[in-house]
Amino acid sequence: DADVTQTPRNRITKTGKRIMLECSQTKGHDRMYWYRQDPGLGLRLIYYSFDVKDINKGEISDGYSVSRQAQAKFSLSLESAIPNQTALYFCATSDFTGTTGELFFGEGSRLTVL
Amino acid sequence: AQKITQTQPGMFVQEKEAVTLDCTYDTSDQSYGLFWYKQPSSGEMIFLIYQGSYDEQNATEGRYSLNFQKARKSANLVISASQLGDSAMYFCAMRADTGRRALTFGSGTRLQVQP
Repeated sequence: DADVTQTPRNRITKTGKRIMLECSQTKGHDRMYWYRQDPGLGLRLIYYSFDVKDINKGEISDGYSVSRQAQAKFSLSLESAIPNQTALYFCATSDFTGTTGELFFGEGSRLTVL
Repeated sequence: AQKITQTQPGMFVQEKEAVTLDCTYDTSDQSYGLFWYKQPSSGEMIFLIYQGSYDEQNATEGRYSLNFQKARKSANLVISASQLGDSAMYFCAMRADTGRRALTFGSGTRLQVQP
């Protein structure tokens, strides 16, 4: 099983619908992140969390919300999806205690908003 | 603020040759880390190599090496002896070591290795 699991892997939804992307990890890391990937733009940070009570906005948080339900779970919600939120979404974790702090990524969730 | 620039949207290289993927960064932080990730067509993100800003030696991991030039704020990835399986998107990223920071990514370079 993957260390960082994202569900769903693929989702097609309609404009205005609420959608939740879920992420769970078994790495025991405190830090979790949501990134969005668009062609030509690389990965952009939506939200990040350094522990259960610590939630921070990234560079493109508008239109998104998150919930850190437990150390191992971090979900991303689109309250009212719009077509320009069509993208590949990645959850990632990191451990910044005596390591390089590299990110460990989930397999990605491809979201299409019609 | 941190910024990563990858100026090569696409690159071609012949199999078995070496290739350099460019990355420049901008930061006011003194202590930071630089990362390279590979994204094959299957979509997963694979960590390749890390360089700390105070590391005196360039990082190496197998066929990957990071050409770190701190004064020029560049962190180019060198892949030696390219293989067909190296065809992928490559992302440069950085993170400041102080404060509450996350990785900032560049826009990526698509590498195609030709037989």
